[in-house]
Amino acid sequence: SYVLTQPPSVSEAPGKTARITCGGNKIGSKSVHWYQQKPGQAPLLVIYNDDDRPSGIPERLSGSNSGNTATLTISRVEAGDEADYYCQVWDTTSDHVVFGGGTKLTVL
Amino acid sequence: EVHLVESGGVVEQPGGSLRLSCVASGFSFDDYGMHWVRQAPGKSLEWVSFISWDGSRLRYADSVRGRFTISRDNSKNSLYLEMNSLRAEDTAFYYCAKDRSGGSYLDYWGQGSLVTVSS
Repeated sequence: SYVLTQPPSVSEAPGKTARITCGGNKIGSKSVHWYQQKPGQAPLLVIYNDDDRPSGIPERLSGSNSGNTATLTISRVEAGDEADYYCQVWDTTSDHVVFGGGTKLTVL
Repeated sequence: EVHLVESGGVVEQPGGSLRLSCVASGFSFDDYGMHWVRQAPGKSLEWVSFISWDGSRLRYADSVRGRFTISRDNSKNSLYLEMNSLRAEDTAFYYCAKDRSGGSYLDYWGQGSLVTVSS
C-alpha cells in the first residue's frame, strides 16, 4: 500500500517560514491535500490539489508537489498556526485514501 | 453552510457491535461520496471507509474490512457505519467527512463521535 512520510515535528519562530514535507513514491504524479487539526477540533482542509486554497484559508499557506516530496509552506508563521498538519492522497492502486502520519507545528 | 453531525459513539465491550450515524445538511447529500475517518486519542488520522454517492462503490481499510459496513440513506441525508466484532484498537474518535469528487479530498468534516471499546 502507498505510504506517506511526514516529520513528527517542526518548529519555527513567529514571522518566519515553516515548511512541512510529505514524502511518497512519485508523489509528484498524485494530487496532494493538506489538513490542519487543532487540539479538540476536527481536521480542516487547508490545501487541495497540491496548491489550491479553500475560501477563507490565508494566502500565507501554500503547497507544492514534485518528485517524491510535497511541501506545505506557512509564511509569516503566527501563534494561531500551531497545530497538527496531515497530508493526504488518494491511492488509485488500492482505491483508498491515505494519510501521512502528521506533523506537529510548534510556534516558538 | 455544510454541517455533518455524528452520533452513536458509546462504550462497548470487545466483540460487541454498534452503529454510528452522520446527518448531513447544507449540500446535496445524494451528489457526493462520503467517508469515515478515525483517530485514536493522541494518534494520527486513519481512513476507515468510503461510499459513493449512490452506494454502488464501497471501500474499506484493511483493518476494518469484514467487520465494518458503510451505508447511506439519501432520503434521510444520513451516513452510517455498522461496526461489529469490536476490538480495543477500534477505540477512537470517528469522523464523517464529505468527499469532493469521488476520489479526491475531504472538504468538510463533522466534529466526531467517540467510540470506546473496553471491558
